[in-house]
Amino acid sequence: GAVVSQHPSRVICKSGTSVKIECRSLDFQATTMFWYRQFPKKSLMLMATSNEGSKATYEQGVEKDKFLINHASLTLSTLTVTSAHPEDSSFYICSARDAGSGTEAFFGQGTRLTVV
Amino acid sequence: GDSVTQMEGPVTLSEEAFLTINCTYTATGYPSLFWYVQYPGEGLQLLLKATKADDKGSNKGFEATYRKETTSFHLEKGSVQVSDSAVYFCALREGSDEKLTFGTGTRLTIIP
Repeated sequence: GAVVSQHPSRVICKSGTSVKIECRSLDFQATTMFWYRQFPKKSLMLMATSNEGSKATYEQGVEKDKFLINHASLTLSTLTVTSAHPEDSSFYICSARDAGSGTEAFFGQGTRLTVV
Repeated sequence: GDSVTQMEGPVTLSEEAFLTINCTYTATGYPSLFWYVQYPGEGLQLLLKATKADDKGSNKGFEATYRKETTSFHLEKGSVQVSDSAVYFCALREGSDEKLTFGTGTRLTIIP
């Protein structure tokens, strides 16, 4: 089946620095990519939806200047957490979908971000 | 808004035991319902889905029936194996909306 690769799987950064997370679709064209965030014992919450070549659509309450999403190609989307703070520590998961195929979205392995 | 509630884990069972993981939902329309599974170190994978009332999704011995009257989509398996140890997520999607709404996930551990 289709594979979505997310990197890194774990990252620790200092407060005030920025962290970039990559999400790649390995064998299909991801016309749409999604970024989710999961707090401990909470549901996966959709942060934003991005379509290749256009600006991401952010969910209510998600700071677009804090969480920069770039979807410049059909196989790569990046999430950059800018000026990270400890409260940004979380599990981030991407998913990708080829809207033209009619199949469901495929998910990456997730990234555990810890801000110290 | 839409929401999904699933039983809290962790759940620990012996091999060959019967499994039920409860999932109920709240939605404004007629959603499609999903179960995703996440094995250690891997991404979420679609396990099964149902798109309308009374549909039964099934895969790898797992089943779930879309019950509109009880707004439920409970996951069941008659005889679990050690390889079923994973985190299971119930989710819904409304109509043509691309957005998935997830439950909190239930960690399942099967012991030999």
